[in-house]
Amino acid sequence: GIQVEQSPPDLILQEGANSTLRCNFSDSVNNLQWFHQNPWGQLINLFYIPSGTKQNGRLSATTVATERYSLLYISSSQTTDSGVYFCAVGVTGANSKLTFGKGITLSVRP
Amino acid sequence: EAGVAQSPRYKIIEKRQSVAFWCNPISGHATLYWYQQILGQGPKLLIQFQNNGVVDDSQLPKDRFSAERLKGVDSTLKIQPAKLEDSAVYLCASSSYAGAMEETQYFGPGTRLLVL
Repeated sequence: GIQVEQSPPDLILQEGANSTLRCNFSDSVNNLQWFHQNPWGQLINLFYIPSGTKQNGRLSATTVATERYSLLYISSSQTTDSGVYFCAVGVTGANSKLTFGKGITLSVRP
Repeated sequence: EAGVAQSPRYKIIEKRQSVAFWCNPISGHATLYWYQQILGQGPKLLIQFQNNGVVDDSQLPKDRFSAERLKGVDSTLKIQPAKLEDSAVYLCASSSYAGAMEETQYFGPGTRLLVL
């Protein structure tokens, strides 16, 4: 099956700092999503981004499908950005199973 | 619109007991997923439904886990008998339909299961 590697595994930032989170995957995919899991366990979809670049406020994401990686950028981080960030990949279709990485734990300190 | 609903939110049982979880997806979403998330790991898909049919249950431990979505809307996941290693968060998600241009998955709050 598809392998998903996320780095770094842990990240500690001071409030206001910027960060880049990386996701590498082993096979061609046409479904890639970034999720944020807050400290209460709720998973929130941040981006559906199988290719290209998208921005939503302080967050942006870029996927280079041909090179099998995706990046999530967080600018001017806030304490509410703390939590675990997951990258999940798959192939769109009847069996659109998502394979999740192990996640990146982000702690933003005030 | 209302999100994905799950119940109960927490459950503590002893090993060898049975337990059931319920999920109501976002209205109109044809595809429903059950995931298992063990502490420190990413969610792992257990079963995927398209309407009331099973699309993928390759990672479902069928000797003890079962799931149904009889009317193509809400779903139940059952474990019988439970083992210690079943302690995890069970997440339900839904999407508009598989094969859609943008198959964004929306997750419920999860059910935290502790098996003693």
